[in-house]
Amino acid sequence: AQTVTQSQPEMSVQEAETVTLSCTYDTSESDYYLFWYKQPPSRQMILVIRQEAYKQQNATENRFSVNFQKAAKSFSLKISDSQLGDAAMYFCAYRSAPYNFNKFYFGSGTKLNVKP
Amino acid sequence: GAGVSQSPSNKVTEKGKDVELRCDPISGHTALYWYRQSLGQGLEFLIYFQGNSAPDKSGLPSDRFSAERTGGSVSTLTIQRTQQEDSAVYLCASSQRGGTNEKLFFGSGTQLSVL
Repeated sequence: AQTVTQSQPEMSVQEAETVTLSCTYDTSESDYYLFWYKQPPSRQMILVIRQEAYKQQNATENRFSVNFQKAAKSFSLKISDSQLGDAAMYFCAYRSAPYNFNKFYFGSGTKLNVKP
Repeated sequence: GAGVSQSPSNKVTEKGKDVELRCDPISGHTALYWYRQSLGQGLEFLIYFQGNSAPDKSGLPSDRFSAERTGGSVSTLTIQRTQQEDSAVYLCASSQRGGTNEKLFFGSGTQLSVL
C-alpha cells in the first residue's frame, strides 16, 4: 500500500516570508497524482495544488508551488509571501492514476502558524 | 446544493449506542466518498459510492460500520455499538463522476465523540 509521510507536525512562518512544507511518499507505481490540501478550522478540505507524476515541470498556483522529485519520492510545498489566511493544517495526498475514483492516501498533516 | 453538506456538525454519544451521519453531496455528483480523520492523523478512506452502489468499501474498519446511498444523492454512514476509538471527524466528499481529473469537494465533516 502507498504511504505518505509528513515529518513536520507543526511549523511557523512570519507574515510575508516563505515557508516550505515537506512530504515524502512510498509507492511502486509509476503513474500517480500528488496533492496538497489545506484544512482551516472550518474542517473543509480545500485543494491547494496538484501534480501529475508524468509531468516533470513543477506545478504552480499563484503563491503556492511544489518541488516534485520523483526519484526521491519527495513532494514539498512552498508558500511565498505568507498571509495570515494561510494558517491551517496542510495535508499531502497521493492517488493512483489508473484507478477511476478518488481514493486518496493522506499524510498526517502539518499545522502552519503565520505570525503577524 | 451549493456545496457538500454534512449533519450533524457535532455528535456526542455514549459507548455502545448507534449513530447515523448524513452527507448531502453537490447536486448532480454521482461519486461520493467517506473519509475518517482521527486526532493527529491524516484522512483515512472508508468507502466510495458511484451512484447507489459501493464499488469499494475496503476502508470500513469493522462490520459495525455500514453506509448506504439512496437516489444517487444522500448518503448515510452508520456506526453500530460505538466504541471510543470511533471518535474522529468523518468527512464526506463528492465529485462529478469519479474521474481521475475531477476536483473533489469536501464537506465540513461531523465531529463524533464517543464517551
